[in-house]
Amino acid sequence: EVQLLESGGGLVQPGGSLRLSCAASGFTFSSFAMSWVRQAPGKGLEWVSTVSASGSTTYYADSVKGRFTISRDNSKNTLYLQVNSLRADDTALYYCAKEGRAYNLDYFDYWGQGTLVTVSS
Amino acid sequence: QSALTQPPSVSGSPGQSVTISCTGSSSDVGSYNRVSWYQQPPGTAPKLMIYEVTNRPSGVPDRFSGSKSGNTASLTISGLQAEDEADYYCSSYTSSSTFLFGGGTKLTVL
Repeated sequence: EVQLLESGGGLVQPGGSLRLSCAASGFTFSSFAMSWVRQAPGKGLEWVSTVSASGSTTYYADSVKGRFTISRDNSKNTLYLQVNSLRADDTALYYCAKEGRAYNLDYFDYWGQGTLVTVSS
Repeated sequence: QSALTQPPSVSGSPGQSVTISCTGSSSDVGSYNRVSWYQQPPGTAPKLMIYEVTNRPSGVPDRFSGSKSGNTASLTISGLQAEDEADYYCSSYTSSSTFLFGGGTKLTVL
């Protein structure tokens, strides 16, 4: 059974940083791209970032480029998102999502339950 | 990176059919068959309902179907049931190697 468990969220002041983690199990982690998708309170889904299966290629939404860094450790089956220079509009539930096709960028077939990031002074 | 366009809300009575549209551009929906749909009941994580325009994952009822014409994709739910009430989001891969989501559509079963 595929499981994705996010952690690392919390309350942080504007300009602050956090490191989000997503522990994966139930599939061959190193064969699939992984993504972060966020959802602000009462709002829709917003794609944030994707990392390729090997970790060598990363992709970012314009809204987070230069502030967020996605990475993965295939030996630990764990996905990360380093979030820096946080702003109020980064407040959201951050979901970890698994790519549906091995070595591809196509769709998200499994989602975690999310970790909440709140940016406020 | 503008969001894909979805109607804010749709509604239907049990047993009826509803269709949710998702309009993008020639840089995303129009150029790739990498359109997917997600169901999100309140307080839960999104669930994949349709991938690659028309494919249903195992376990998704065949009442759910997808299609695409030009820059617009559609999700049709036939034989509406109360349990179908949720928010629905479309997503597309883009020519910039990014993903776009639609703004979401709230389905109400009357």
